[in-house]
Amino acid sequence: DIQMTQTPSTLSASVGDRVTITCRASESITSWLAWYQQKPGKAPKFLIYKASSLESGVPSRFSGSGSGTEFTLTISSLQPDDFATYYCQQYNAYPYTFGQGTKLEI
Amino acid sequence: QVQLVESGGGVVQPGRSLRLSCVASGFTFNSFAMHWVRQAPGKGLEWVAVISEDGSLKYYRDSVKGRFTISRDNSMNTLYLQMSSLRPEDTALYYCAKMGVKDGYKIGIDYWGQGTLVTVSA
Repeated sequence: DIQMTQTPSTLSASVGDRVTITCRASESITSWLAWYQQKPGKAPKFLIYKASSLESGVPSRFSGSGSGTEFTLTISSLQPDDFATYYCQQYNAYPYTFGQGTKLEI
Repeated sequence: QVQLVESGGGVVQPGRSLRLSCVASGFTFNSFAMHWVRQAPGKGLEWVAVISEDGSLKYYRDSVKGRFTISRDNSMNTLYLQMSSLRPEDTALYYCAKMGVKDGYKIGIDYWGQGTLVTVSA
């Protein structure tokens, strides 16, 4: 199975900050990577696909980059609504696997 | 709009069975692969299984192979997860989820239900 490792596990930041979350795959997944946002008690929300393509309706302050085994999710200017847990997921091969999550807190 | 509504969760003893259902609406159900993803209380997301558009292809995570069966009824726009020989470690919120496709390529999971809670406990 492809292992996905996210860093950091927890990130403390303030409104207006620029933050970056890293996701590393145990083998190359080319660009078959998605990012999700999850708030407490809610289902995950789809943010980014193919490593860097923004899903329709997602604010442009979110961006993704990377290929192969190293990927990043960047939020350019944190808004109050962005404090949540973020997950990466590879969909290069089954079983699909998620990173362990990064909790973004104030 | 896309809606996925799960049902069938509950409290069950170890070793027993349970069947989850997910009714889909707002999209052409038989054109998309469908997934089950679970989340244990306070833990991260864990992919469980996927079924192709016509039900001919199925994949499972190793820990549920031989115990869980994913299926679908395209005439009823419904996805199922038959779970047997349940274990305490299967305790989780189970999400039904839709595979996204753009320009003919898979893009990940673009829609999720709200989940149904399965608790395996004596």
